[in-house]
Amino acid sequence: EAGVTQFPSHSVIEKGQTVTLRCDPISGHDNLYWYRRVMGKEIKFLLHFVKESKQDESGMPNNRFLAERTGGTYSTLKVQPAELEDSGVYFCASSQLGGLSGNTIYFGEGSWLTVV
Amino acid sequence: RKEVEQDPGPFNVPEGATVAFNCTYSNSASQSFFWYRQDCRKEPKLLMSVYSSGNEDGRFTAQLNRASQYISLLIRDSKLSDSATYLCVVDGTYKYIFGTGTRLKVLA
Repeated sequence: EAGVTQFPSHSVIEKGQTVTLRCDPISGHDNLYWYRRVMGKEIKFLLHFVKESKQDESGMPNNRFLAERTGGTYSTLKVQPAELEDSGVYFCASSQLGGLSGNTIYFGEGSWLTVV
Repeated sequence: RKEVEQDPGPFNVPEGATVAFNCTYSNSASQSFFWYRQDCRKEPKLLMSVYSSGNEDGRFTAQLNRASQYISLLIRDSKLSDSATYLCVVDGTYKYIFGTGTRLKVLA
């Protein structure tokens, strides 16, 4: 069975440009999460989808970030316009259940974004 | 104060050694605790959940102390392949709160 897949794996863009990251969760997983790790910092939660609905987007840094999950399958995270501080690795994760107790969240390999 | 705090290390230990990592968390209402392992430039992978009574999985033992709000991970008989970053993870209501991770390097 395919795991969580993310595209692109690496992206280098100029400040002010737009980048769209895509995540395909494990088939049948209603819960999809986006996390981010910037250099030297811990992995931080961005948002959580249950199917196509945003359950929690409290971690989104600002309105330059837009996440969607149309149809409740794959998700996209768009950064527009990108700033230097957006550089880091963006992890997508999915799980079958919504709670954490007794549940396992599976991470994708991440999309490494560099803004120059 | 960070929600989850870990000593970043690195911990450099010889093969066969026993090494322990601690992690403290600030939210006393947290209910779920985990240790994840992350290899260089890879995604985090679940190593083990941490249960109140403590739990063991082969060479790995996890402990939880709710009164002091800390979690520990003990690795016995370290292998070269144990070299990685170990992430302490605590639930924050349907989302994970990560520590910065502790780097372990097992030396031949």
